[in-house]
Amino acid sequence: GNSVTQMEGPVTLSEEAFLTINCTYTATGYPSLFWYVQYPGEGLQLLLKATKADDKGSNKGFEATYRKETTSFHLEKGSVQVSDSAVYFCALSDEGYGQNFVFGPGTRLSVLP
Amino acid sequence: GAVVSQHPSRVICKSGTSVKIECRSLDFQATTMFWYRQFPKKSLMLMATSNEGSKATYEQGVEKDKFLINHASLTLSTLTVTSAHPEDSSFYICSAKATGTGTEAFFGQGTRLTVV
Repeated sequence: GNSVTQMEGPVTLSEEAFLTINCTYTATGYPSLFWYVQYPGEGLQLLLKATKADDKGSNKGFEATYRKETTSFHLEKGSVQVSDSAVYFCALSDEGYGQNFVFGPGTRLSVLP
Repeated sequence: GAVVSQHPSRVICKSGTSVKIECRSLDFQATTMFWYRQFPKKSLMLMATSNEGSKATYEQGVEKDKFLINHASLTLSTLTVTSAHPEDSSFYICSAKATGTGTEAFFGQGTRLTVV
């Protein structure tokens, strides 16, 4: 079946540091890939997505590139802010696999001023 | 983007009572809705998938008689936790997919259920 693996953290960084959160996936089909962010006490918000190989999703300074050859979708940001502190979930959705989302375990990020 | 509203955001109930959580798509028709449960510091676990007008499909290990799901219209799905117990305390999140948007789903803000 489909699955998503990501570094679990927690990750603690200083403001303006470079961020990488690794995500790899296993899928039987050709999934779309997503990064969701969850701020404390809130639901999930879509951060970015990519629907085919070599696509780069980007939003709010975050980027991730769909790498089919390495089955990866690593999240990066060049300079994190305190307001980026949240839990980040990598996820995939495969139309040929029940349409639902499969989430990674989430990575808690804390950014210190 | 499309908006999914989940209500209530927080609820506290007594053990043995039932609680209903609503999930509404505000500006699109949701042919499919998903219900997830999130344990503390854990990822989301899919509980069930519901399609408008038909019975929900539950994931293995989820008690369908305890977690009643109704998707009576294209904009509303409800999750009822029946005879709640403290172990049912959790964060429940719904998501909805609109016809024609491919694989993107939109999430509600979640409901924190505490059973005392």
